[in-house]
Amino acid sequence: DAGITQSPRHKVTETGTPVTLRCHQTENHRYMYWYRQDPGHGLRLIHYSYGVKDTDKGEVSDGYSVSRSKTEDFLLTLESATSSQTSVYFCAISEVGGSYNEQFFGPGTRLTVL
Amino acid sequence: GQNIDQPTEMTATEGAIVQINCTYQTSGFNGLFWYQQHAGEAPTFLSYNVLDGLEEKGRFSSFLSRSKGYSYLLLKELQMKDSASYLCAVLDSNYQLIWGAGTKLIIKP
Repeated sequence: DAGITQSPRHKVTETGTPVTLRCHQTENHRYMYWYRQDPGHGLRLIHYSYGVKDTDKGEVSDGYSVSRSKTEDFLLTLESATSSQTSVYFCAISEVGGSYNEQFFGPGTRLTVL
Repeated sequence: GQNIDQPTEMTATEGAIVQINCTYQTSGFNGLFWYQQHAGEAPTFLSYNVLDGLEEKGRFSSFLSRSKGYSYLLLKELQMKDSASYLCAVLDSNYQLIWGAGTKLIIKP
């Protein structure tokens, strides 16, 4: 299994509070991704990174920011959490970003915003 | 817009064969992936198709027709552990993965 961990695994927070989720990899893969998964929806890309300090927006980036200061760490921040951001968040990594970019997923973080 | 359609849920019997269909309309095409996701767990890679035809890998096979915007995942000799959701995803012209909502497969003894 690819070495990907996410922390925390579960979090309950209140509306308006900032939240940071961490993804850590030991595979030295260049690409890292943050997705959210909600019932009835496919995985939706929030942000991704193609290198240290190189990030770009995905399909549902509003209300989220990311940072990648080291190859192994990719942080997702909800500046002011809202109930609509209650979801399961998955981090993924891939060695390449081209036509065959098999992605390996972390175990997920279940976030509840009250 | 971009769209990937899969049946929401399917039921099959242990030992049987099941085919899970996926149709897609995306801006460009650079390959199609199938992932398996057990309840409460992360998705794991099953297969990748970029050319038309059938790719076989043990009990699992995946088929692609680019002209029809269609793929299917075929699971043979079903086992109880195959109970999971199966996710279809297309790599679009920007090399972004567009995901279907997944098909929940229930295996009955």
